[in-house]
Amino acid sequence: GAGVSQTPSNKVTEKGKYVELRCDPISGHTALYWYRQSLGQGPEFLIYFQGTGAADDSGLPNDRFFAVRPEGSVSTLKIQRTERGDSAVYLCASSPPGDNEQFFGPGTRLTVL
Amino acid sequence: AQSVTQPDIHITVSEGASLELRCNYSYGATPYLFWYVQSPGQGLQLLLKYFSGDTLVQGIKGFEAEFKRSQSSFNLRKPSVHWSDAAEYFCAVAANTGGFKTIFGAGTRLFVKA
Repeated sequence: GAGVSQTPSNKVTEKGKYVELRCDPISGHTALYWYRQSLGQGPEFLIYFQGTGAADDSGLPNDRFFAVRPEGSVSTLKIQRTERGDSAVYLCASSPPGDNEQFFGPGTRLTVL
Repeated sequence: AQSVTQPDIHITVSEGASLELRCNYSYGATPYLFWYVQSPGQGLQLLLKYFSGDTLVQGIKGFEAEFKRSQSSFNLRKPSVHWSDAAEYFCAVAANTGGFKTIFGAGTRLFVKA
């Protein structure tokens, strides 16, 4: 079956602009996670959804970052007033009900000029 | 709060030699532990996981890992490395309290020489 998909695969934007990154989880997966991976680092937890609600958003670095999952499936990570330090690969993962195993998407590479 | 340390930034082994990648975690109770592999241009793939029970867990591609509570370690091993194993390896820990926030280590890059 289809895995986790993320769009766009690459996004180049200018400092101060607004961006949206989309994640389509595996069908039937109830949990959805966002991570950020900077060069040479491991993935950094941002936010976790269980269904439509954000169960843990403690990893969001500041109020410029926001994520939604209105129908419990697709999720969008929104970044306002982008800064050069936001440049990274943004990873999305999903898990089936009752299982901790996370299935990762290919990521979106965000470059802020 | 949980944390993960992978002491080795990179390791080089000869093809056919054995491999051990180190991982130490910090967590107040028994955690969920994972090893993931990331090849260039590829997404993260789960190699194995430990939740409870037998402390020696078997994974895909011939990998295994052993949970040692006394040492707060979860080292990854493979008896004979193949050139295709060259990649970045990440150890990760998640709380077992119902929330699934997962913390990753910084990774160990494995180089395999002929």
